[in-house]
Amino acid sequence: QSVLTQPPSVSGAPGQRVTISCTGSRSNLGAGYDVHWYQLLPKTAPKLLIYGNSNRPSGVPDRFSGSRSGTSASLAITGLQAEDEADFYCQSYDSSLSGWVFGGGTRLTVL
Amino acid sequence: QVQLEESGPGLVKPSETLALTCTVSGGSITSYFWSWVRQPAGKGLEWIGRMYTSGTTDYNPSLKSRVTMSIDKSKNQLSLSLTSVTTADTAIYYCARDRGSVGFDPWGQGTLVTVSS
Repeated sequence: QSVLTQPPSVSGAPGQRVTISCTGSRSNLGAGYDVHWYQLLPKTAPKLLIYGNSNRPSGVPDRFSGSRSGTSASLAITGLQAEDEADFYCQSYDSSLSGWVFGGGTRLTVL
Repeated sequence: QVQLEESGPGLVKPSETLALTCTVSGGSITSYFWSWVRQPAGKGLEWIGRMYTSGTTDYNPSLKSRVTMSIDKSKNQLSLSLTSVTTADTAIYYCARDRGSVGFDPWGQGTLVTVSS
């Protein structure tokens, strides 16, 4: 069981908007620690998608956006494209564990 | 640009030690944290631990008793050792540059390690 909770799956049609939630607790998101998001595709290196709650690294399309409030965070993807189909993970720091923690991952299916 | 590549045996016997290397190219290994992360088949990501180039380490409490990380600055390489492995340690193992508040970037492609007799 992951410290951060994500829905196992989300889906949407091309062009639509989807959101992926990430719920934590007082020792991680609730303590003010930032959340990062990663995209995982088979047999490729995981890719940093969002850092520091809402910042996009260079090269990440602005269709991807992140937000955080209290013990929750979310990743939004607008204008869904077939190539967005992947697994997405949130990450934060946990003071109780004194280390990084990840969500259980969410599989995005583009219908 | 910085690139990472994991390497090591793809098959380890139960009770033995898993040993992996991460080679950093295109940039210096110094003055950064470096983390190891694993993903068992069909499961999520699990942070194993991290090391700073000074030698400081932080390990996941659930693995701390079995993990050792080291760094060879002359070779720009990181190493991970996990002792007394079981089938539960079968996973894809990744190394990543740990930039703290700006996330893990970049990552290696990962290497699959299977624990089986």
